[in-house]
Amino acid sequence: AQSVSQHNHHVILSEAASLELGCNYSYGGTVNLFWYVQYPGQHLQLLLKYFSGDPLVKGIKGFEAEFIKSKFSFNLRKPSVQWSDTAEYFCAVNGKGGGNKLTFGTGTQLKVEL
Amino acid sequence: EPEVTQTPSHQVTQMGQEVILRCVPISNHLYFYWYRQILGQKVEFLVSFYNNEISEKSEIFDDQFSVERPDGSNFTLKIRSTKLEDSAMYFCASSAVRGNYGYTFGSGTRLTVV
Repeated sequence: AQSVSQHNHHVILSEAASLELGCNYSYGGTVNLFWYVQYPGQHLQLLLKYFSGDPLVKGIKGFEAEFIKSKFSFNLRKPSVQWSDTAEYFCAVNGKGGGNKLTFGTGTQLKVEL
Repeated sequence: EPEVTQTPSHQVTQMGQEVILRCVPISNHLYFYWYRQILGQKVEFLVSFYNNEISEKSEIFDDQFSVERPDGSNFTLKIRSTKLEDSAMYFCASSAVRGNYGYTFGSGTRLTVV
């Protein structure tokens, strides 16, 4: 079975601070990895995804994530956050051979203060 | 950008009543999904649907739940006899290919069972 852990449940940053949100997954085989963002009152939006190739993946709005296979991690980063990045961030995994469902982490609520 | 549309955005129902949550997936998508998020908890997979049949379902998706695509455009989730614990945000999603490539989510229906 596949599972995802997000260790930071609430993060508060000042504008221009750097961001790193942790994500670890558990699955015995090859995985596809995703980060989704949910702005207040809105739907889940795909930030970025990793399937194969370069483990450093760049997404929308200046976000990037690095897949480290040896650590089963897929941490999300942004060098300089903005107030508009206030949202909830979800890491998700789809294990190849595990059907086509996504397994989500519990989410990290990010608040960026001016 | 194409959207997945969900109606209603909020539904309140009495325990034991039947509810139908409606979704209009993106028109050329072939795979359809329902997820739910109980307040404060992670987003959980309920069911996937392809070629007019369920392709995968979770243990949450018991006999009280059903899905159908009655007219080739709508994709509905029915809960036959709602329980208090069914209160959650229900998200519909669709994808052009198997979900490995990332879904497009709707904005959700908040179901409150009283």
